Amino acid sequence: DTGVSQDPRHKITKRGQNVTFRCDPISEHNRLYWYRQTLGQGPEFLTYFQNEAQLEKSRLLSNRFSAERPKGSFSTLEIQRTEQGDSAMYLCASSKTGTTPDTQYFGPGTRLTVL
Amino acid sequence: QKEVEQDPGPLSVPEGAIVSLNCTYSNSAFQYFMWYRQYSRKGPELLMYTYSSGNKEDGRFTAQVDKSSKYISLFIRDSQPSDSATYLCAMSKLDDKIIFGKGTRLHILP
Repeated sequence: DTGVSQDPRHKITKRGQNVTFRCDPISEHNRLYWYRQTLGQGPEFLTYFQNEAQLEKSRLLSNRFSAERPKGSFSTLEIQRTEQGDSAMYLCASSKTGTTPDTQYFGPGTRLTVL
Repeated sequence: QKEVEQDPGPLSVPEGAIVSLNCTYSNSAFQYFMWYRQYSRKGPELLMYTYSSGNKEDGRFTAQVDKSSKYISLFIRDSQPSDSATYLCAMSKLDDKIIFGKGTRLHILP
C-alpha cells in the first residue's frame, strides 16, 4: 500500500537559496494539497490542485512560492529566495473527488530549515 | 478571533483514564468536523469525522458536535500510551478547504 510520499524529508538551506520539494500522491487521487505547519500550530492551507489545475491559493503563498502539478500526478513546491520565516514543515495531502467530507491523506512532510 | 480555537496543552493523564479534547469555532457555516492524530515527525491521519451535530463512536473514540454552542469534543476511553500524540480538530464547509486547530499535545503516562 503506497501512501503519499514526499521528498526530501529534511532540507537545510541558506537564506536566499531556492528549494524545491516533491509530493507523490496516492495513485487514484486527483486532488492534491500543500500545507505549511510551524511548531505548535496546525497545518495551514497553501494551495490545491484538482488534476493539473491549480484551483486555489492562500494569501499565505507569496510570489516567492510556486507550485505545479504538470501531468496531474506528482507535484512540486518551489520556494525562491528563502527567508528564515520559511522554516517549517511542508505537508502534502491527497484525496479523491466524490468523497464526503474531502478525506485527505497526508504525507510525512518535508522539514525545511533556513539558516 | 481565530476561526478554530484549540488548547495546545500539553495534557498528561494516567493510562486507563478517559481523555477529553475540545475545540471551539466561530463560523456557523462549518458542516464537517474532523479529528486528526499526528505522531511526532509524521503527517496527520484522520481519526474520525462527524457531519453536523451529534455523536459518533468508533472503538474507544467518541466524537461529539454541539453546533448551538459551536463546540466539538473527542473522548478517548481506556487511554493507552500509544495514544500519546497531538490531536488536531479540523472543520470545513461543504466542498471547501479544511481549517485546522493548533492541536493538543496528549501524553498518556504508563
